[in-house]
Amino acid sequence: AQSVTQLDSQVPVFEEAPVELRCNYSSSVSVYLFWYVQYPNQGLQLLLKYLSGSTLVKGINGFEAEFNKSQTSFHLRKPSVHISDTAEYFCAVTRSGGYQKVTFGTGTKLQVIP
Amino acid sequence: DTGVSQDPRHKITKRGQNVTFRCDPISEHNRLYWYRQTLGQGPEFLTYFQNEAQLEKSRLLSDRFSAERPKGSFSTLEIQRTEQGDSAMYLCASSSRVAGTSTDTQYFGPGTRLTVL
Repeated sequence: AQSVTQLDSQVPVFEEAPVELRCNYSSSVSVYLFWYVQYPNQGLQLLLKYLSGSTLVKGINGFEAEFNKSQTSFHLRKPSVHISDTAEYFCAVTRSGGYQKVTFGTGTKLQVIP
Repeated sequence: DTGVSQDPRHKITKRGQNVTFRCDPISEHNRLYWYRQTLGQGPEFLTYFQNEAQLEKSRLLSDRFSAERPKGSFSTLEIQRTEQGDSAMYLCASSSRVAGTSTDTQYFGPGTRLTVL
């Protein structure tokens, strides 16, 4: 089975400052990794995904994440945040190959301070 | 709009009543998933369909829960004899495997928020 740990439940950051949201996963097999964003009272929107290839993945809204197999991490970063980035961010993992259910972390609330 | 849609967006019901939610996936997607998300938690997998076949059910899905996808298109999730613990956001997602790859990315709907009084 796969599991995801998001150590930071809340991350406050000033507008235009950089941010990193941490995600560590556990799996005995190869995985796909995802970051989703959830705005209040809405569903989840896919930010980016790592399937294979380059370990640096770029997503929407200026976000990027780096897959680090040795550290089993998939941290999300943005060099300069905006007020509109205030939301909850979920890291997720699934076993690679065909259908697999997605296992989500508990989420990190990003609060951008003006 | 080609995204996943869910109806209703909000449902308030009294304990003991039955409720039914609907999910319309992205039209070309043959896989459909239901998740439940409680406050402060990430979504938890409930069940999965490939076309009309229900291929996996989580142990979270008690006997009071039933899901169908009769024609391999839209899906319904029914909860019988609702309990206060059923209060949550119910999310639907759909995906399709890209030919020649093992890629399967799930796209989520806006969710149905259930409140059981």
